Amino acid sequence: DAEITQSPRHKITETGRQVTLACHQTWNHNNMFWYRQDLGHGLRLIHYSYGVHDTNKGEVSDGYSVSRSNTEDLPLTLESAASSQTSVYFCASRPGLNSYEQYFGPGTRLTVT
Amino acid sequence: AQKVTQAQTEISVVEKEDVTLDCVYETRDTTYYLFWYKQPPSGELVFLIRRNSFDEQNEISGRYSWNFQKSTSSFNFTITASQVVDSAVYFCALSEVNTGNQFYFGTGTSLTVIP
Repeated sequence: DAEITQSPRHKITETGRQVTLACHQTWNHNNMFWYRQDLGHGLRLIHYSYGVHDTNKGEVSDGYSVSRSNTEDLPLTLESAASSQTSVYFCASRPGLNSYEQYFGPGTRLTVT
Repeated sequence: AQKVTQAQTEISVVEKEDVTLDCVYETRDTTYYLFWYKQPPSGELVFLIRRNSFDEQNEISGRYSWNFQKSTSSFNFTITASQVVDSAVYFCALSEVNTGNQFYFGTGTSLTVIP
């Protein structure tokens, strides 16, 4: 069955380290998204991509980067992890601009100490 | 400004009671979409429903129903005869065509159904 996966599911890292969270979908969806979920804030958009080699900043993009070299993957990199980036990260995808609901991965819980 | 407001942070009900989760949105677009997602204690986000701005018909799916009212910019979600399995955080979201259909999420309502 087609799906969207995230790895790792849990990660503990130290302040200042570079961290990459993986997102992989097998639906062949063009659109992919990264969100962070924090208490009291709901889900906030970090970065998104509408296709290969396309990336865009979301509401809370500072300190994060993404790259899209193929349809299936959108890795999220924290260039220099900060304690404020401790959060649960969700990846999502949808087929294209004319389809609307997004389908979410299981999430990655990241702790920056 | 918050585009989607879920004023109820936490709600507790006793099993079999009906409960309504409120969602108020703000947009200047004439074409937009509204969504509800469920996040059970296991943490995944489950898509429940999508409505577009041109369709104000209420929708019912089993014990779930949704009331979309453009006049009050609301998209409320009612669970009838609640069950313990309904315990979850519920998110309302808005997607605007003019912003590339990006999602704007509310802060969520945590529902606890007490047996």
